[in-house]
Amino acid sequence: DVKVTQSSRYLVKRTGEKVFLECVQDMDHENMFWYRQDPGLGLRLIYFSYDVKMKEKGDIPEGYSVSREKKERFSLILESASTNQTSMYLCASSLIGTGLYNEQFFGPGTRLTVL
Amino acid sequence: AQKVTQAQTEISVVEKEDVTLDCVYETRDTTYYLFWYKQPPSGELVFLIRRNSFDEQNEISGRYSWNFQKSTSSFNFTITASQVVDSAVYFCALIAPGGDYKLSFGAGTTVTVRA
Repeated sequence: DVKVTQSSRYLVKRTGEKVFLECVQDMDHENMFWYRQDPGLGLRLIYFSYDVKMKEKGDIPEGYSVSREKKERFSLILESASTNQTSMYLCASSLIGTGLYNEQFFGPGTRLTVL
Repeated sequence: AQKVTQAQTEISVVEKEDVTLDCVYETRDTTYYLFWYKQPPSGELVFLIRRNSFDEQNEISGRYSWNFQKSTSSFNFTITASQVVDSAVYFCALIAPGGDYKLSFGAGTTVTVRA
């Protein structure tokens, strides 16, 4: 089974702090994604990566950055956390394989609260 | 542009009732894939099904069934004889070239099954 793990289930930070959210997958997937989930809005893509050291902006990248130094690890960084970044953050991974339509596998999520 | 609409925000049923979740999508592409995911209270999204745009056959998996109709751009999901363990948020999603192969999610439908 694909296993996607996230470093924390719950996190509380203060406004202005730098926040790191870590995600690790163990299935050698090329693609990795970061989403945030807010009530009534579904999941919105923040950043994704097709390969090591590659990153692409998603739909809502403002206020975030990412790092992918190793294939299995994809980090989301909030340079200066703000209260409007309080949300559930979900990491996912998928194979490129033979096509671009493969399902994504998700981690358990990190519920971040910024005070 | 692509879009997924789940008009039902919340559905509450009594155990053993059937429940149908609606999903309507928009895309200009002729090749695309549709997905359903389940998010139980634990938070981790679980992949349920992937269906490509050229396969309109309905699918049944145990108590779950899916009805794909291209004519109405719908991909509805039915849970037959619901159980308490079916209580979750369910997301419909779409991948298509017009969306740069990024997964677009609907807002989700919260299903509550009461004993």
